[in-house]
Amino acid sequence: GIQVEQSPPDLILQEGANSTLRCNFSDSVNNLQWFHQNPWGQLINLFYIPSGTKQNGRLSATTVATERYSLLYISSSQTTDSGVYFCAVYILTGGGNKLTFGTGTQLKVEL
Amino acid sequence: DGGITQSPKYLFRKEGQNVTLSCEQNLNHDAMYWYRQDPGQGLRLIYYSQIVNDFQKGDIAEGYSVSREKKESFPLTVTSAQKNRTAFYLCASSTAPGQSEYFGPGTRLTVL
Repeated sequence: GIQVEQSPPDLILQEGANSTLRCNFSDSVNNLQWFHQNPWGQLINLFYIPSGTKQNGRLSATTVATERYSLLYISSSQTTDSGVYFCAVYILTGGGNKLTFGTGTQLKVEL
Repeated sequence: DGGITQSPKYLFRKEGQNVTLSCEQNLNHDAMYWYRQDPGQGLRLIYYSQIVNDFQKGDIAEGYSVSREKKESFPLTVTSAQKNRTAFYLCASSTAPGQSEYFGPGTRLTVL
């Protein structure tokens, strides 16, 4: 099946710093989604981004589908950005579209 | 408020018992999904439903069952729970398969 790899696995930042999270996938995908899982376990939808670039406040994402990767940029990080960031890709199976998750990047933002 | 609700937040069962996890959405979404998350891991798909009265097995369906009798409800049953079913269970929905998925708050199941 498709492989979804995220890097780095762990990241510690000082508040105010910028960071880039990467997601590589091993096969063609229909779409891609980025999530933030907060310390209470809630998964929050960040971006639905099959290709191109999107921005939402301090966050932006870029997907280059032809080269099989996506990047999530966090600028001016805040302690509330802490948590796990997941990339997930949609692949079309015999039964329909299915979302496959990467293993995540654990981010900790310190004062 | 529109959204996805899961209940209960925490659930404890003894081995061998059946247990049903609730998932309700009022987003008018056609597609619904169940995922399992183990500590330090990503999410794995258990079952999904693209439309009422239809559902498909995901990657780890063995030992689980679902029903989709109503558009807004997609309950998950853990059959004869074993300790290895202890995990965080997340329900999600989307307007259609392949569209952006939105998640509920999750249920933490512990099998004793």
